[in-house]
Amino acid sequence: EDQVTQSPEALRLQEGESSSLNCSYTVSGLRGLFWYRQDPGKGPEFLFTLYSAGEEKEKERLKATLTKKESFLHITAPKPEDSATYLCAVGSGGSNYKLTFGKGTLLTVNP
Amino acid sequence: GAVVSQHPSWVICKSGTSVKIECRSLDFQATTMFWYRQFPKQSLMLMATSNEGSKATYEQGVEKDKFLINHASLTLSTLTVTSAHPEDSSFYICSARELSSGYEQYFGPGTRLTVT
Repeated sequence: EDQVTQSPEALRLQEGESSSLNCSYTVSGLRGLFWYRQDPGKGPEFLFTLYSAGEEKEKERLKATLTKKESFLHITAPKPEDSATYLCAVGSGGSNYKLTFGKGTLLTVNP
Repeated sequence: GAVVSQHPSWVICKSGTSVKIECRSLDFQATTMFWYRQFPKQSLMLMATSNEGSKATYEQGVEKDKFLINHASLTLSTLTVTSAHPEDSSFYICSARELSSGYEQYFGPGTRLTVT
């Protein structure tokens, strides 16, 4: 059974204070490691897909990296508008492809 | 691009009635659509996967006779909650995947269902 564990559960930062979120996983046949952002009462917003160890992707203040066992979402000089829950998910399966989500990290950035 | 809509965004119904939720891919053809539910402060739990023109595949523990899923076209899937009960109150979210675009799933804004 695929498993995804995210840490910390909650993170409070001051504006401009860089940090990282962790996503560790076990999966049989990885078909993508996904990061999403979810605001309260809304559906997840797609951020990144990583497919192989060593891969990195960036978008504005966010950078996602991937190893064989975990992924990190680095947030550089965050702003209050970066406050949200960040979800990590792994994809697996062929014809029965599906995503397994972690519980998320609630990020709060104070001005 | 990759926009998914859901309707309604929220609904209140009485116990014993049925509710239909629509999920549409607005700018791409969704070969596969997924339905999730999310309880407060919990992560997304996959309920079922549907491919256009085929019967949905339900996750273990999800009652297929209670949660009816139809994926009649490449842009529309519906979830009908039959004989709803208060314990069915939750946040229902759909996602869509375009087969030719990799494994990314794009999510709708969600539907808040409250059963009284």
